Amino acid sequence: DQQVKQNSPSLSVQEGRISILNCDYTNSMFDYFLWYKKYPAEGPTFLISISSIKDKNEDGRFTVFLNKSAKHLSLHIVPSQPGDSAVYFCAASGQEGIQGAQKLVFGQGTRLTINP
Amino acid sequence: EPEVTQTPSHQVTQMGQEVILRCVPISNHLYFYWYRQILGQKVEFLVSFYNNEISEKSEIFDDQFSVERPDGSNFTLKIRSTKLEDSAMYFCASRRSLSPQHFGDGTRLSIL
Repeated sequence: DQQVKQNSPSLSVQEGRISILNCDYTNSMFDYFLWYKKYPAEGPTFLISISSIKDKNEDGRFTVFLNKSAKHLSLHIVPSQPGDSAVYFCAASGQEGIQGAQKLVFGQGTRLTINP
Repeated sequence: EPEVTQTPSHQVTQMGQEVILRCVPISNHLYFYWYRQILGQKVEFLVSFYNNEISEKSEIFDDQFSVERPDGSNFTLKIRSTKLEDSAMYFCASRRSLSPQHFGDGTRLSIL
């Protein structure tokens, strides 16, 4: 199942610079996209989301961009901080539906390391 | 901030035994989920639960799996007869309507 792909297993960025994490999807029925951050021995923590009616959503240092025609989204973190070092998962879901299932389909994750 | 709580954090079980994984979702949430992550693989959807019934399940969620919300707070995943390939991290998640899913810290299930 390759509906959501994160092609970079790892990324290393200098503290203070911008981190850009990428995600591609294939299912055109997806209309809600999320980014989660995961530390070892913890569950995924919600970071930011975007609906398909938007192309950008910003929350503090985090901005998510959605390019529907390319079926691509990206997460920008600026400035990057050492505490941002974690695994980042992209996830997608379809419409809420009759019973609100809205299951998430996850990418493989990208391990981000912020170097001091 | 309210959290999704999962117990136990680690469960070791003999193959063929039944196991119950427990979750306490966030109190005003209405939608509940189980996911699993086998070591080195993606997080995979297992089942969603709303209004006291399963709303969707994946191919993984076969007859050996069941979910229950026995009271107003707990949400459980039961595996009736565990197999070696059930070894994974199991994550519970919950959400309100039109909001993102919030995850617990998971239960590591080890089948011997």
